[in-house]
Amino acid sequence: DGGITQSPKYLFRKEGQNVTLSCEQNLNHDAMYWYRQDPGQGLRLIYYSQIVNDFQKGDIAEGYSVSREKKESFPLTVTSAQKNPTAFYLCASSIASSGLHYGYTFGSGTRLTVV
Amino acid sequence: AQKITQTQPGMFVQEKEAVTLDCTYDTSDPSYGLFWYKQPSSGEMIFLIYQGSYDQQNATEGRYSLNFQKARKSANLVISASQLGDSAMYFCAMREGRDSNYQLIWGAGTKLIIKP
Repeated sequence: DGGITQSPKYLFRKEGQNVTLSCEQNLNHDAMYWYRQDPGQGLRLIYYSQIVNDFQKGDIAEGYSVSREKKESFPLTVTSAQKNPTAFYLCASSIASSGLHYGYTFGSGTRLTVV
Repeated sequence: AQKITQTQPGMFVQEKEAVTLDCTYDTSDPSYGLFWYKQPSSGEMIFLIYQGSYDQQNATEGRYSLNFQKARKSANLVISASQLGDSAMYFCAMREGRDSNYQLIWGAGTKLIIKP
């Protein structure tokens, strides 16, 4: 079955360490997105990508970096510059089309904790 | 200005009762789509229902229906005969036709708790 796989499910980061969250999809979707969610809060867009080798900053990109070398993959690196990285991270993908009914398919998320 | 407003941060509802979760939106684009997603405590986001701005009838999917009032710019989610498993966060989202980035704009969510 097609879907989005995020790994790991839980991740612990030490102060000053970079960590990378994986997001892989086999839906043949062009667009991919990374969101951050703090407890009890909504989704905040970190980065998004419409095509391979291209991506744009979202609302809270500082302290994060991404790459899009393959259509299927959109990894997110949480750098040491991100001072408060403890959160739940969701990856999503979508068909990049003008069809309004195309929503997002989400992965199951990664819970990142700074220790 | 907020494009998607969910005014109910939290709601408690008795099991088997119907639930209405509010969502108002703001757009000048005549072409748009509205979505509702459910997020259980496990964290995954589950698509529930979609309504297009040109759809003549309110969308329905099983126990979910969307009360779409275009003139009021409101797209409330109605859950009939609530169940304990309906306890979750619910998010309303909008996609505008003129957005070449094809992004969804999200509301802040409503936390629904079903009481036995």
